[in-house]
Amino acid sequence: GDSVTQMEGPVTLSEEAFLTINCTYTATGYPSLFWYVQYPGEGLQLLLKATKADDKGSNKGFEATYRKETTSFHLEKGSVQVSDSAVYFCALGLTGNQFYFGTGTSLTVIP
Amino acid sequence: NAGVTQTPKFRVLKTGQSMTLLCAQDMNHEYMYWYRQDPGMGLRLIHYSVGEGTTAKGEVPDGYNVSRLKKQNFLLGLESAAPSQTSVYFCASVGPTGLAGGFRAYEQYFGPGTRLTVT
Repeated sequence: GDSVTQMEGPVTLSEEAFLTINCTYTATGYPSLFWYVQYPGEGLQLLLKATKADDKGSNKGFEATYRKETTSFHLEKGSVQVSDSAVYFCALGLTGNQFYFGTGTSLTVIP
Repeated sequence: NAGVTQTPKFRVLKTGQSMTLLCAQDMNHEYMYWYRQDPGMGLRLIHYSVGEGTTAKGEVPDGYNVSRLKKQNFLLGLESAAPSQTSVYFCASVGPTGLAGGFRAYEQYFGPGTRLTVT
């Protein structure tokens, strides 16, 4: 069935380190792919998205490329900041208006 | 636009008590969802609605009821709260976000959450 598999955390990085959070998916049809971020005590906010193969979503220095050949949508940032500490969720949306979420990856950035 | 709002933000219940969580959206979206979030479990879908007057069960519907009497509101009810329902509850509404493979693609907009503790 349709699903999202996300790298388990927690992840701890030093400030200015490079970040990768892996996300792979299984889906039929034409899925859209999303990364959501959840800061402590808050709801989920859309970080970036891509709606077709080879699209690159980007926002706040984060990037993810929709790779159909590897069914992946890995999140990357070249230089993380303390303020990036949050939980990151990969998600899949299908044209049937169904959504599937990964279990979330907790990121802590230390000064 | 306020987007998606949830009421209340926090609540403490005793076992057996009942309560209703309110979700409201001002984006004229047809689809609305209720999720619960527990540590290490990600988001789990409780119930959803594809339009005014409709509701459907999600992954973990037991112990909850919902109603969608008005398009902008989606209510989640707990008839007899249990400690296992201690969780953070998120509401989301769904709107179009362009095309994917020639079909309409959708995006979820989340509320800020309700933290519920059942003692």
